[in-house]
Amino acid sequence: EDKVVQSPLSLVVHEGDTVTLNCSYEVTNFRSLLWYKQEKKAPTFLFMLTSSGIEKKSGRLSSILDKKELFSILNITATQTGDSAVYLCAVEAIVLFYGGSQGNLIFGKGTKLSVKP
Amino acid sequence: ETGVTQTPRHLVMGMTNKKSLKCEQHLGHNAMYWYKQSAKKPLELMFVYNFKEQTENNSVPSRFSPECPNSSHLFLHLHTLQPEDSALYLCASSQDRQGNTEAFFGQGTRLTVV
Repeated sequence: EDKVVQSPLSLVVHEGDTVTLNCSYEVTNFRSLLWYKQEKKAPTFLFMLTSSGIEKKSGRLSSILDKKELFSILNITATQTGDSAVYLCAVEAIVLFYGGSQGNLIFGKGTKLSVKP
Repeated sequence: ETGVTQTPRHLVMGMTNKKSLKCEQHLGHNAMYWYKQSAKKPLELMFVYNFKEQTENNSVPSRFSPECPNSSHLFLHLHTLQPEDSALYLCASSQDRQGNTEAFFGQGTRLTVV
């Protein structure tokens, strides 16, 4: 069965700390891995990763994918209270059927990050 | 299993058909969401219901019509769709819109419009 496991489930740090969030997966026919940040509203897209070893970076956030070991990490440096949120990892798996294919999203349960002043 | 169940998992429909997507949660949550995910794109929020009241409609075409008869059920009625509406439709729920709690997603309905 396809699954996505995130760790830790929750994390409390202080402003200025650096955090690393983990996402491991077991899926058949992997297509991409996505990270989302969820605050009070809908999850907001952070990164989409499709290739191993290529770091994606946006400000203080960065992420990398290891398709051999089947995991991804999300790093946040110099954390701020505004980084407090649930970070969702999702893996898109390709489902094959007669006549074509389609991708299905499998989400992890998320990591709840709390950044204290 | 997240506690949010969507049916059907897959749907193929013609442009003149009328169909409905169903979402059900028994987590005691009061907020429910419909998202759309197109190929190679991130999640797009479509509708939000909080305590059975629609609180957000993110400029979604009228061919998509949501319905929330109670806090546990959410429907998305579809009619005269276009091929570009083919996507993965995700339902999610959370405690409410004010609480800082995570949303639980269903596994989605993969919709193909032919």
